[in-house]
Amino acid sequence: QVQLQESGPGLVKPSQTLSLTCTVSGGSISTGGYHWSWIRQHPGQGLEWIGHTYHSAIHYNPSLQSRVTISVDMSKNQFSLKLSSVTAADTAVYFCAGYLMGAGGRGAWGQGTLVTVSS
Amino acid sequence: DIQMTQSPSTLPASVGDTVTITCRASQSLNDWLAWYQQKPGKAPSLLLYKVSHLETGVPSRFGGSGSGAEFTLTISSLQPDDFATYYCQQYNTSPWTFGQGTKVEIK
Repeated sequence: QVQLQESGPGLVKPSQTLSLTCTVSGGSISTGGYHWSWIRQHPGQGLEWIGHTYHSAIHYNPSLQSRVTISVDMSKNQFSLKLSSVTAADTAVYFCAGYLMGAGGRGAWGQGTLVTVSS
Repeated sequence: DIQMTQSPSTLPASVGDTVTITCRASQSLNDWLAWYQQKPGKAPSLLLYKVSHLETGVPSRFGGSGSGAEFTLTISSLQPDDFATYYCQQYNTSPWTFGQGTKVEIK
């Protein structure tokens, strides 16, 4: 089973771009069938799906679409999240996850990383 | 977007109780419905996928049922380790969406 680990700055200034990377181990990111996803959780609140990529398709949450970019680096077995023009409302724990749709959506989640937006 | 309405938001219960959490979708999900358990400071952990399929290692006291747009998670004989927050998630249609969560707390 694949394992995922998020990495990136824990503090981002308002109006800047939040950049996170998810490193996949235990399997190749190029293996078909996985929806590589980003999800976030505001402090004390529920889960919000940000978007995912599979094969060459990418889907974003419409509420974030104008500011979000998800991309894959197969050479590094990583996928990444960029969120531009951040505000304090983007302070959250960010999770990466891989959903294996051919196995019913089973997969794995990273442990999550807290990103705080503050000057 | 598919709206997921989860209830109740809080569920007081005692060890040994059987509890049920409901998740209603705004449209049919073709069984693409999962349940997660989350404990403070941890990532969500998959309990059930495709409505009723138990993830490897998850105790059999967890059960899922439903079809179409209405689903339930049942925990039989609640154990101390089960006090946590539970979420449903639809992954039938993008944007994927989660229920608001149900916190199972000690009565």
